[in-house]
Amino acid sequence: AQSVTQLDSHVSVSEGTPVLLRCNYSSSYSPSLFWYVQHPNKGLQLLLKYTSAATLVKGINGFEAEFKKSETSFHLTKPSAHMSDAAEYFCVVSGGDSSYKLIFGSGTRLLVRP
Amino acid sequence: GAVVSQHPSRVICKSGTSVKIECRSLDFQATTMFWYRQFPKKSLMLMATSNEGSKATYEQGVEKDKFLINHASLTLSTLTVTSAHPEDSSFYICSARDGGSYKVEKLFFGSGTQLSVL
Repeated sequence: AQSVTQLDSHVSVSEGTPVLLRCNYSSSYSPSLFWYVQHPNKGLQLLLKYTSAATLVKGINGFEAEFKKSETSFHLTKPSAHMSDAAEYFCVVSGGDSSYKLIFGSGTRLLVRP
Repeated sequence: GAVVSQHPSRVICKSGTSVKIECRSLDFQATTMFWYRQFPKKSLMLMATSNEGSKATYEQGVEKDKFLINHASLTLSTLTVTSAHPEDSSFYICSARDGGSYKVEKLFFGSGTQLSVL
């Protein structure tokens, strides 16, 4: 079985400081991992994906994530937070052989203080 | 990018009534759509997969007679919560696959519907 655990339900940072959203996964085989972002009243948007190529994945809006098999982690980072980054972030693993059987983490709400 | 429109965004209904939620792909054809449910502080759980012109496939534990899914056209899928009860109160999200691609980049999400049953 596959699962993801997002370790923090809320993360608060000041504008201009680094962002770290943590995600650990469990998978019986090589997983595909994704980060999605959801802004208020908007649909979920794909930020980035890992599918067994480069372990450091760059996404949109300056976000990146590093796949660490030894730590079963896929943490999301950004060097400098912007007010517009305030949103809900979901770490996701694909289940089975279908990229659409997505298994979601419980989400992390990112708050950015001015 | 592609847009998936989900309506209504919020609905409040009385216990025992039925509620219909619509999911539309605005600028692409979606042969497959997915319905998720999210409880507070919980992850999104896949409820069912709907394919245009055929019966939906429900995940284990999801009552198909309670959650009726219809995917009658390539741009519209509906989820009807029948005889709603307070325990059905939740956030429901749909997603739609653009065309025949299995790439995750071709999967687009609606903005969700918050259902509150009194």
